[in-house]
Amino acid sequence: DQQVKQNSPSLSVQEGRISILNCDYTNSMFDYFLWYKKYPAEGPTFLISISSIKDKNEDGRFTVFLNKSAKHLSLHIVPSQPGDSAVYFCAASKYGSRLTFGEGTQLTVNP
Amino acid sequence: DADVTQTPRNRITKTGKRIMLECSQTKGHDRMYWYRQDPGLGLRLIYYSFDVKDINKGEISDGYSVSRQAQAKFSLSLESAIPNQTALYFCATGSTGTLLTDTQYFGPGTRLTVL
Repeated sequence: DQQVKQNSPSLSVQEGRISILNCDYTNSMFDYFLWYKKYPAEGPTFLISISSIKDKNEDGRFTVFLNKSAKHLSLHIVPSQPGDSAVYFCAASKYGSRLTFGEGTQLTVNP
Repeated sequence: DADVTQTPRNRITKTGKRIMLECSQTKGHDRMYWYRQDPGLGLRLIYYSFDVKDINKGEISDGYSVSRQAQAKFSLSLESAIPNQTALYFCATGSTGTLLTDTQYFGPGTRLTVL
């Protein structure tokens, strides 16, 4: 069963606008959540994370929001830049265990 | 130099052949992982190792085996390759943070095609 789901395979936004990528999970035991970014011909790179004791974590243009009651997290990119065009994976883990990844969302930022 | 390296980067082989994909890391991490990526399926865990003497099956281990030769080396083998093992394969390393969480660092990937 798919415990981490990214329901939007793709998202297209204009440069300078906000990009919002969404992720849902089913396992209430997950307590740590991450976002990875992947460019073609490269491995995924860690972007930002959040633990379940928080509901928001911000790093520059990137902010991750966690809604535990809805089992939902989102990644906001403001302002979006063409260089942000990539596949974004969300991932989740239980305390000290392995990561479970979503299917990925292809973000395209148009100039 | 890259912290996590994978060899080969690309490989085309035939059904029934034995294939080994290699991964090395200089990050000093104790945990290592093998994933495969398929379109629409994200990253699925094949095997993982929390230290040299520890090997664990992931979600999709059938048809694969691994060897943790040293802390820095983790290889993935396909004993008899089949076409549905055509995919992009990633090695990753991880260390435990202050909350025993596991941020992973990925290699560049190996594109494997089985004809």
